[in-house]
Amino acid sequence: ETGVTQTPRHLVMGMTNKKSLKCEQHLGHNAMYWYKQSAKKPLELMFVYNFKEQTENNSVPSRFSPECPNSSHLFLHLHTLQPEDSALYLCASSQQLAGGRDTQYFGPGTRLTVL
Amino acid sequence: RKEVEQDPGPFNVPEGATVAFNCTYSNSASQSFFWYRQDCRKEPKLLMSVYSSGNEDGRFTAQLNRASQYISLLIRDSKLSDSATYLCVVNTRDTGRRALTFGSGTRLQVQP
Repeated sequence: ETGVTQTPRHLVMGMTNKKSLKCEQHLGHNAMYWYKQSAKKPLELMFVYNFKEQTENNSVPSRFSPECPNSSHLFLHLHTLQPEDSALYLCASSQQLAGGRDTQYFGPGTRLTVL
Repeated sequence: RKEVEQDPGPFNVPEGATVAFNCTYSNSASQSFFWYRQDCRKEPKLLMSVYSSGNEDGRFTAQLNRASQYISLLIRDSKLSDSATYLCVVNTRDTGRRALTFGSGTRLQVQP
């Protein structure tokens, strides 16, 4: 399935590096999301974008910086991360902002390891 | 109290067995409910929505009890391919926030 793609699939970075995660959706959806999934924890919503505008920042540290240039693309810029930021970062999209029975479609995720 | 709470399991059942998972949610304003399935090292995928009157999709039956604030998923005639983590998901429109809240998941292992 290629509805929502994410690159890279795996990333190892040092604490002083700067890297970016990319998400692209080919579904014509208007809302996009970043989630973090750590081992044995539920998915944590990080950011929400609706029609390119950020509608939610779930108290995410400033070392994570999202960017949404258009409704199809979403980036997560990373800098000076900590080892506890190692996790699976999932991008999702939905037709409208999560409400009613609108399904969210997830990308395969980027598995991030911070050394 | 967690917003969405699930028994982490694992539930180890033989092929052909019937297994049920429950999930409780804390916000009475919650409006929509879902079960997602997540295979090991893969992304979550929608399994089924949960409707107030209960609904069935093949071997899967979902129930909602608003009074007690819990959701259930019943799997009949378990297959090896049902082995996965099942995520209970709640959509709450609250103080302007409109997003899904995920439980930690219940792991199911179906054994031959």
